[in-house]
Amino acid sequence: GDSVTQMEGPVTLSEEAFLTINCTYTATGYPSLFWYVQYPGEGLQLLLKATKADDKGSNKGFEATYRKETTSFHLEKGSVQVSDSAVYFCALTTNRDDKIIFGKGTRLHILP
Amino acid sequence: EAGVTQFPSHSVIEKGQTVTLRCDPISGHDNLYWYRRVMGKEIKFLLHFVKESKQDESGMPNNRFLAERTGGTYSTLKVQPAELEDSGVYFCASSQRIYGYTFGSGTRLTVV
Repeated sequence: GDSVTQMEGPVTLSEEAFLTINCTYTATGYPSLFWYVQYPGEGLQLLLKATKADDKGSNKGFEATYRKETTSFHLEKGSVQVSDSAVYFCALTTNRDDKIIFGKGTRLHILP
Repeated sequence: EAGVTQFPSHSVIEKGQTVTLRCDPISGHDNLYWYRRVMGKEIKFLLHFVKESKQDESGMPNNRFLAERTGGTYSTLKVQPAELEDSGVYFCASSQRIYGYTFGSGTRLTVV
């Protein structure tokens, strides 16, 4: 079945460090790919998305490129801030139904 | 506009007791979803309402879980009787279209 695998956390970085959170997927057809973020005490928020191969989603300095050949959607940010501390979820949807399939989430801690 | 509201935010109950979670979607959103994240695992789909009808309840784990959406407005998710493995965070989301998901902040359920 369809699935999402993302790197285990927690990930701890110093402020201004470069961030990569790896995400790979398995899906039939052509899924849409997403990164969601959950800040402490808040709900899940859509961070960025890409709907077809080679699309790049970006928001708040974060980027992820839909790589069909490697079935990946890695999240990157060039210079993280303390306020980026949160749990990040990679996810996908397919054309078959409305369900979102999530990865396990990666907790990110940014130290000042 | 008001977001998706869930309550309680936290609930601690004993094994065998009953708990009811509530979700108030964004006004006018026909689609309402329940998801669950068990500790350290993926956020998994439970079910999907379109207005008051259950569109897809394939993710409901067993018959101890009962979801309702009377009148197509708010929804409740009842767990009766609760078991230890039901502990986790229960998320609700609403949308008019799949890319317009808005999640609530979740209810953290602990069964002891």
